[in-house]
Amino acid sequence: SQQGEEDPQALSIQEGENATMNCSYKTSINNLQWYRQNSGRGLVHLILIRSNEREKHSGRLRVTLDTSKKSSSLLITASRAADTASYFCATDAEGGSNYKLTFGKGTLLTVNP
Amino acid sequence: KAGVTQTPRYLIKTRGQQVTLSCSPISGHRSVSWYQQTPGQGLQFLFEYFSETQRNKGNFPGRFSGRQFSNSRSEMNVSTLELGDSALYLCASSLVGTGEKAFFGQGTRLTVV
Repeated sequence: SQQGEEDPQALSIQEGENATMNCSYKTSINNLQWYRQNSGRGLVHLILIRSNEREKHSGRLRVTLDTSKKSSSLLITASRAADTASYFCATDAEGGSNYKLTFGKGTLLTVNP
Repeated sequence: KAGVTQTPRYLIKTRGQQVTLSCSPISGHRSVSWYQQTPGQGLQFLFEYFSETQRNKGNFPGRFSGRQFSNSRSEMNVSTLELGDSALYLCASSLVGTGEKAFFGQGTRLTVV
């Protein structure tokens, strides 16, 4: 079963705008990760945030984590057409002992030139 | 450093047949995980191997099996194929399989007719 739900399911913006995607999850986690997938291809890791962190930055990416609300957000600033992809959050269980990632359903981001 | 390599990239099989998919992890990575991706169910965890031992298995029927070799390469097998097994099968590798980012291959697109 899916651990999380991304919101929105689809997002269409213009180049240069910011894109915000949200993820909610159900159980306590060890860490939360965001991945990008270009159409029908493998997933690319973007950023990992641990359960004791609240915010993390990497280039144009900013991730926040609110463990009390069991939610995370991914902000992509100054978007480019090349950012067009599906974005997934993934969690691993608290303690990290189940050796698997549980993915949300993803947000399809379209950046129009 | 070479990435995760999955072979073959595309497969077409007939119902009732069996199929074997292969995954070569990044050199030095000992954890290999498999995921099934379909439009309806999203990304679903199949199983995870570390040093030739299966540490976790997802909620899939016994027709789905896997193994890992001493060089960390992994294979998964699906017997008695059903139409619903049509999916993108993704392999991911990491150093120890928990609390860290995963590196995904490009996937094997399986079509069952």
